[in-house]
Amino acid sequence: DIVMTQSPDSLAVSLGERATVNCKSSQSVLNSSNNKNYLAWYQQTPGQPPKLLFYWASTRHSGVPDRFRGSGSGADFTLTISSLQPEDVAVYYCQQYYSIPSTFGQGTRLEIK
Amino acid sequence: QVQVVESGGGVVQPGRSLRLSCAASGFTFSDYAMHWVRQAPGKRLEWVAVMSYDGTKEYYADSVKGRFTISRDNSKNMVYLQMNSLRAEDTALYYCAKSNGYCTNGLCYANYWGQGTLVTVSS
Repeated sequence: DIVMTQSPDSLAVSLGERATVNCKSSQSVLNSSNNKNYLAWYQQTPGQPPKLLFYWASTRHSGVPDRFRGSGSGADFTLTISSLQPEDVAVYYCQQYYSIPSTFGQGTRLEIK
Repeated sequence: QVQVVESGGGVVQPGRSLRLSCAASGFTFSDYAMHWVRQAPGKRLEWVAVMSYDGTKEYYADSVKGRFTISRDNSKNMVYLQMNSLRAEDTALYYCAKSNGYCTNGLCYANYWGQGTLVTVSS
């Protein structure tokens, strides 16, 4: 199974500041036949189900604010929030869907400093 | 708008069975694969199973293979998870989620999730 490891486990950032979450996979999730990274990012606010933020590592899901950015390729990925807002307090998960079983990172808890 | 609503959770003894249901609406159900994903209290998300849009392909996590069965009824816009031989470690909030496409190879992500239904396995 592909192991997904996120860093840090938790993060406190001031409002309006940048937040960065990293995700590393134990093997590449880049499909060379279509040049797509099989990597998604989700946001889970307290008491709510996960919401999709990005797929193919950097394609923003509909309705996701443009202060969110997904980047990276191969085995190293980053979720960046350019200017933290109060509604961004959540746990963020990365997921690989390159191989079965699909696997998630352990989550990164983002709080306001 | 896309909506998925899970039901069927509850408290069940170890070794017993439970069937979860998921009602979908707001999209052409027969065009999309459907996932089950679970989350034990305080734990990370764990993908459980996915069924292709037409019900011909199904894929499972090793932790549930041979005990859980995913199925769907495209005439009713429903997807199910039959859970047999339940264990304490199956205790979790079970989410039903719409996939991004046909997903005949199982390699797809979930773009809309339900609120979940809680399964507690305890004697």
